[in-house]
Amino acid sequence: EAQVTQNPRYLITVTGKKLTVTCSQNMNHEYMSWYRQDPGLGLRQIYYSMNVEVTDKGDVPEGYKVSRKEKRNFPLILESPSPNQTSLYFCASSRLVGWQTGGWRNSPLHFGNGTRLTVT
Amino acid sequence: ELKVEQNPLFLSMQEGKNYTIYCNYSTTSDRLYWYRQDPGKSLESLFVLLSNGAVKQEGRLMASLDTKARLSTLHITAAVHDLSATYFCAVDMAGGGADGLTFGKGTHLIIQP
Repeated sequence: EAQVTQNPRYLITVTGKKLTVTCSQNMNHEYMSWYRQDPGLGLRQIYYSMNVEVTDKGDVPEGYKVSRKEKRNFPLILESPSPNQTSLYFCASSRLVGWQTGGWRNSPLHFGNGTRLTVT
Repeated sequence: ELKVEQNPLFLSMQEGKNYTIYCNYSTTSDRLYWYRQDPGKSLESLFVLLSNGAVKQEGRLMASLDTKARLSTLHITAAVHDLSATYFCAVDMAGGGADGLTFGKGTHLIIQP
């Protein structure tokens, strides 16, 4: 079954304790991305990756790191979590479907089931 | 900066009624998506609209795109309770490349029996 798998689903941690949220997709997608979802703010992109070893900042990258050492995996790292990073996090992936003026375009995103993070 | 505005943000309606959700965006785009999110669940792709005048329909949902007006609509016909969810539109900025979608804040739809 085609899927994007995130772990853990729920995580409660304390300020400053490094954590990693894993994301893996089995669809051989080139593109992967992390979003956070907050009430009243919708989804905001944190980081994205267009292929192995290629990552770039989204709209809200501060306090986060990512890596893309393998095509299927795109972990999100919080080196020193703070309470304002309490949120619902989604990993997503898609194919890159062709080049148009300005860059590559995506197929519809496949989302993981989300990770609810609480930082106290 | 691309801005995507949905309205309404909250909608409570009765079964059997029709209604429309609007999605306005601020810069040129040639690709717009609609997603559905059930409470506590992930997002599911509903429609991809790729050109001006595009119309897609699935069951009681119909989406359309007017790129000149920078407007997409999601129309619900004869609503049923199962359509209760949060609906997001997301815009892929023309020429912006695969650097991600900009999402609206979502429309929380409650359909009452």
